[in-house]
Amino acid sequence: AQKITQTQPGMFVQEKEAVTLDCTYDTSDQSYGLFWYKQPSSGEMIFLIYQGSYDEQNATEGRYSLNFQKARKSANLVISASQLGDSAMYFCAMRERGGQNFVFGPGTRLSVLP
Amino acid sequence: NAGVTQTPKFQVLKTGQSMTLQCAQDMNHEYMSWYRQDPGMGLRLIHYSVGAGITDQGEVPNGYNVSRSTTEDFPLRLLSAAPSQTSVYFCASRMGQGFTGELFFGEGSRLTVL
Repeated sequence: AQKITQTQPGMFVQEKEAVTLDCTYDTSDQSYGLFWYKQPSSGEMIFLIYQGSYDEQNATEGRYSLNFQKARKSANLVISASQLGDSAMYFCAMRERGGQNFVFGPGTRLSVLP
Repeated sequence: NAGVTQTPKFQVLKTGQSMTLQCAQDMNHEYMSWYRQDPGMGLRLIHYSVGAGITDQGEVPNGYNVSRSTTEDFPLRLLSAAPSQTSVYFCASRMGQGFTGELFFGEGSRLTVL
């Protein structure tokens, strides 16, 4: 069963505006980690941000922040002040404490418009 | 540091041929894994290893073989290539302990099976 859902196959945002990429997850584990990765057109996978299930504050890394709503099982990525270089595929992933592996969502393709 | 190194970056095979995708990491990571990426499906786990001499199947293991004789290397073998194995393959590694560490990815290998 798919554990990570990203409902937005594609998104557009105007340069300098903020954008939210949705991610919902399913787990019965109380301890887990949530990760976001960026994949530009060059193909490499770039780690952006991490949120632990017990972290009380939402994670932030520069222009990236994670809107973590544990009760709703959502971990949305917020990119502030979008730049043209933010155009890429974005993947949400989860690793449960009881498991060895990461599970990835299908991804959201973000296009930043000048 | 080189991180995770995959070779080759591109490969074209004919149906029925065999080949090996090489993966090496220099971070002394216990955990290594292979994913395939197909449009609209995110990354799906093929095989993984939690240490030298230990391997296990992921979500889509059929048609692939792995071994882990050293901590550094984790090759992926295609035994008899099929067009359905046309994909982009990623090797990834992480530290073995806890669930907070992110995956470190290689640059990917694009395989086409004719």
